[in-house]
Amino acid sequence: ETGVTQTPRHLVMGMTNKKSLKCEQHLGHNAMYWYKQSAKKPLELMFVYSLEERVENNSVPSRFSPECPNSSHLFLHLHTLQPEDSALYLCASSQDTGSSTDTQYFGPGTRLTVL
Amino acid sequence: SQQGEEDPQALSIQEGENATMNCSYKTSINNLQWYRQNSGRGLVHLILIRSNEREKHSGRLRVTLDTSKKSSSLLITASRAADTASYFCATDLLSNSGYALNFGKGTSLLVTP
Repeated sequence: ETGVTQTPRHLVMGMTNKKSLKCEQHLGHNAMYWYKQSAKKPLELMFVYSLEERVENNSVPSRFSPECPNSSHLFLHLHTLQPEDSALYLCASSQDTGSSTDTQYFGPGTRLTVL
Repeated sequence: SQQGEEDPQALSIQEGENATMNCSYKTSINNLQWYRQNSGRGLVHLILIRSNEREKHSGRLRVTLDTSKKSSSLLITASRAADTASYFCATDLLSNSGYALNFGKGTSLLVTP
């Protein structure tokens, strides 16, 4: 629908598990983003990648580890998460990060529950 | 840090009525965007208004921008049940990495038949 897909759509994991979230964009964009959306909070920007290079790490704990192997794919590796990390994780892409008028295209999100 | 702040937090109206949501922000912007999010889904871009524009229309959407008051409003005319969603304003944020978006907490709109 929007050209950005995310898998899995739902994930339940224990605090000792290791899992990965995957995002793929089919729009030919150069920039990709990870956001965290918790209940009753603004979207929190976590990471920004531009041309496969991480250009922003918004004070995110090291238990979240992003990976961008190419401009179409973005991963978020998770390990030893806490229950407060339960949230909707949204991936987005945009043409670039150099223009203030770039629209961001969002995936449907992964609903993560940490037990 | 949070830039946009939407008001009200929640709005309930009947089909056919107009819905108005407001957004206030704190620092200078180049443009402001409005996004919509259906429950548990990703955000969808609705409209962008530049800092030198005062009003913009797209279908049943009308956006205004008052840079002197650092505020914007989104008006949805003749609302439909399908308009039920959360609506977010986002301002551009320039950092060392280029431009990113700063989102508010959103307004949750419920349109009842």
